[in-house]
Amino acid sequence: GAVVSQHPSRVICKSGTSVKIECRSLDFQATTMFWYRQFPKQSLMLMATSNEGSKATYEQGVEKDKFLINHASLTLSTLTVTSAHPEDSSFYICSARVQDEKLFFGSGTQLSVL
Amino acid sequence: GNSVTQMEGPVTLSEEAFLTINCTYTATGYPSLFWYVQYPGEGLQLLLKATKADDKGSNKGFEATYRKETTSFHLEKGSVQVSDSAVYFCALSTSGTYKYIFGTGTRLKVLA
Repeated sequence: GAVVSQHPSRVICKSGTSVKIECRSLDFQATTMFWYRQFPKQSLMLMATSNEGSKATYEQGVEKDKFLINHASLTLSTLTVTSAHPEDSSFYICSARVQDEKLFFGSGTQLSVL
Repeated sequence: GNSVTQMEGPVTLSEEAFLTINCTYTATGYPSLFWYVQYPGEGLQLLLKATKADDKGSNKGFEATYRKETTSFHLEKGSVQVSDSAVYFCALSTSGTYKYIFGTGTRLKVLA
């Protein structure tokens, strides 16, 4: 199956700094990627839909200035958490749509903000 | 709104035991239903899916039947193996949106 590579797998940062998470489709072109976050014992929540070459579409309640998404090529989407605070600590995971509703997921990034 | 509810884990079973992980959903229209599995250190992988009522998805010995009357999509396996230890996510997507709604995930641990 298709492979989605997500980096880093774990990051610890100081409050107020920015963190970038990369999501790459390794052997296919992904016109659409999705970003999710998951709090402990809660569902994966869709944050935004990222389309190559256009602005991301954010879900209600997600701050677009806080979570910057860039999808500059067909194989790379990035999520930047700007001015991170402890409440941003969470598990972030990306996925790429191939076809026929199939999604392929990255392995996720655990962000801890001190 | 749309939602997915699945049983809390962790679920601990002995090898060769029967597995059921319950999943119920709330949705408008006719959603597609999925089970995803996440092995340690890896991304979510599609395990099986069903796109309409009474469809049965199956893969690797796992099965789930789309029950519209009970709005359920329970995951079953007749004989689990240690290698089935993972987190299992139930999910739905509504037609044409490609947006998935996930359950909270159920951790399965199978002991030898």
